[in-house]
Amino acid sequence: NAGVTQTPKFQVLKTGQSMTLQCAQDMNHEYMSWYRQDPGMGLRLIHYSVGAGITDQGEVPNGYNVSRSTTEDFPLRLLSAAPSQTSVYFCASSRGLAGGQIRQETQYFGPGTRLLVL
Amino acid sequence: SQQGEEDPQALSIQEGENATMNCSYKTSINNLQWYRQNSGRGLVHLILIRSNEREKHSGRLRVTLDTSKKSSSLLITASRAADTASYFCATDARDSSYKLIFGSGTRLLVRP
Repeated sequence: NAGVTQTPKFQVLKTGQSMTLQCAQDMNHEYMSWYRQDPGMGLRLIHYSVGAGITDQGEVPNGYNVSRSTTEDFPLRLLSAAPSQTSVYFCASSRGLAGGQIRQETQYFGPGTRLLVL
Repeated sequence: SQQGEEDPQALSIQEGENATMNCSYKTSINNLQWYRQNSGRGLVHLILIRSNEREKHSGRLRVTLDTSKKSSSLLITASRAADTASYFCATDARDSSYKLIFGSGTRLLVRP
């Protein structure tokens, strides 16, 4: 299994440009999420998905869109890049629980995408 | 605001010593997890402790959880230079368990 893969590894954008960060997992995980990590800080949740067709906002969703058309893929779209979005972006996945309340289990992280917005 | 906050922010110890990191959180939780991040890499899961557990071990790692104080500690025994990394706690709040919220981390340096 490849686990969680992210592309690209590094990207430079100009202010106002749009782009999509790709994330894919081959573990048939129901739960996927996107985080950003700024220098010297922890991870902040941007958006998450509990299954195909279901997404919701995290702590810092403004300026980002997501969709989940398949179990495997969870792309993150930057609509109009701003310098404040310069960060390292991590995608993660975990298995969900069938029925009842979903509890967080072990998260598997991708290697990250470093984004620089000029 | 972040759910979990680690203490200390940075820790420097000699190889062979024990390292203790603490995490405090604000709301009731389902479980608490600890992750390690080597410089420039993604996070790696270390251990998960559920709200009804008080202590858990995994190799040289020992995690405790005190739900009355809303705090957890991670102990790394007999540290090695390879343990140098940042360590994060993460919690899922009982009122919104879909979200896993990370703290700001403890940077551990183990000197050879």
